[in-house]
This record gives sequence, structure tokens and C-alpha cells, in this order.
Amino acid sequence: GAVVSQHPSWVICKSGTSVKIECRSLDFQATTMFWYRQFPKQSLMLMATSNEGSKATYEQGVEKDKFLINHASLTLSTLTVTSAHPEDSSFYICSGTGDLNQPQHFGDGTRLSIL
Amino acid sequence: DQQVKQNSPSLSVQEGRISILNCDYTNSMFDYFLWYKKYPAEGPTFLISISSIKDKNEDGRFTVFLNKSAKHLSLHIVPSQPGDSAVYFCAAVKYDKVIFGPGTSLSVIP
Repeated sequence: GAVVSQHPSWVICKSGTSVKIECRSLDFQATTMFWYRQFPKQSLMLMATSNEGSKATYEQGVEKDKFLINHASLTLSTLTVTSAHPEDSSFYICSGTGDLNQPQHFGDGTRLSIL
Repeated sequence: DQQVKQNSPSLSVQEGRISILNCDYTNSMFDYFLWYKKYPAEGPTFLISISSIKDKNEDGRFTVFLNKSAKHLSLHIVPSQPGDSAVYFCAAVKYDKVIFGPGTSLSVIP
């Protein structure tokens, strides 16, 4: 089946630094990628939808200047958490699809811990 | 190695009948399980959850059953409606880490 690789799987960094998370589709072209955030004991929250070559569409309440999403190619999307603070600590997961009428494929997620 | 499996990629059911979506997992340490529903061109939306200490949770037409000994859970939709046609994802959660299954596409035929 289709594979989405997400990297890194776990990152710990100091408050104020920026962190980049990569999401790659390994065997298909992901024209659309989704970025989610998971809080403990809560359901997954969609942060943004990105289409290759265009600006991401952010969900209400998600700061686009804080969470920079780039989808420059059909196999790579990145999420950069800028000037990260402890409240940004969470589990972030991406998914991709080459056809919105088909199932989307999830990465393994990234656990971000800001000290 | 897939920790969460949904072995049926697709399922067709007549309107009014029961839809049963299955999910198997390999790790007995998960805290709870989630079912998500996804329409085309949208992200998944949360449907129903079940804690690992329970064996059943019901919400309207949706019931999730958990069989811990078999490491198996299922989502029952009854009666099925055409609007239920979507992709359903099973997910397992340990603290804040979520692992998704590959999804099952449900078609409810009028």
C-alpha cells in the first residue's frame, strides 16, 4: 500500500527555536496533504490542508504565521513550527492523497516536546 | 509492521441494513480507540471513541465494540444511510500518539 514517511518521529528542543517536520509520500504523488495535531485524550484536530504548488488552507484558530506549511513538490510537504513554545508541544501527524476521492495515507507522526 | 489494520478496503451495504467495519490491532498497550469518518476533499472527522477498559460504546446509530482478547474492534452503523458513504478510519491511541489504520470505504446503496 501507499506509504507516507514523516520525519522526525520525536524532537525535543528549547523554547524559541523553530522546528521543521517533513512529510514525504514514498510511492505516490500526494497532490493534497493534511496536517493534524493531537492533544492527549482528545480527537485529532485538522490544522491545515495543502495542495501542491499553492498556499495552504488553515483551519479556524490555527495561526498561519506560527505553523508554516510548504508543499513545493508532489512528494514533500513540510510543517515548520516557528518560535516554538511549551504550549506547542504535541503530536503532529500528516497525511497525503493523490486523489481526494481515494483514502488518504497517514504518516507515523512526530512527537514535539518544547522545553 | 502495521499496528492497526483494516483488512477490508471497501464495503457495500444496502440502505437500512447494518454496516460493520472491522479493525485489528497488535499492541495491547493502547489507551483508547477512535473511529473517524472522511468524505472526499475533507479531512477526517471524529465519530466515536472507546476506552480500552470498556467493551462497548454507543452513540445514536453508531456502536463500537472492543474485544481486547482478540485485539479487535468493530464499528456498527444501523440503520445505514446513503449519507454514511465515506471512508472510515480506525485509530489507536497511546497517550498522545495516534496510529491510523488504512481505512475502509463504505458505500451505502439506496
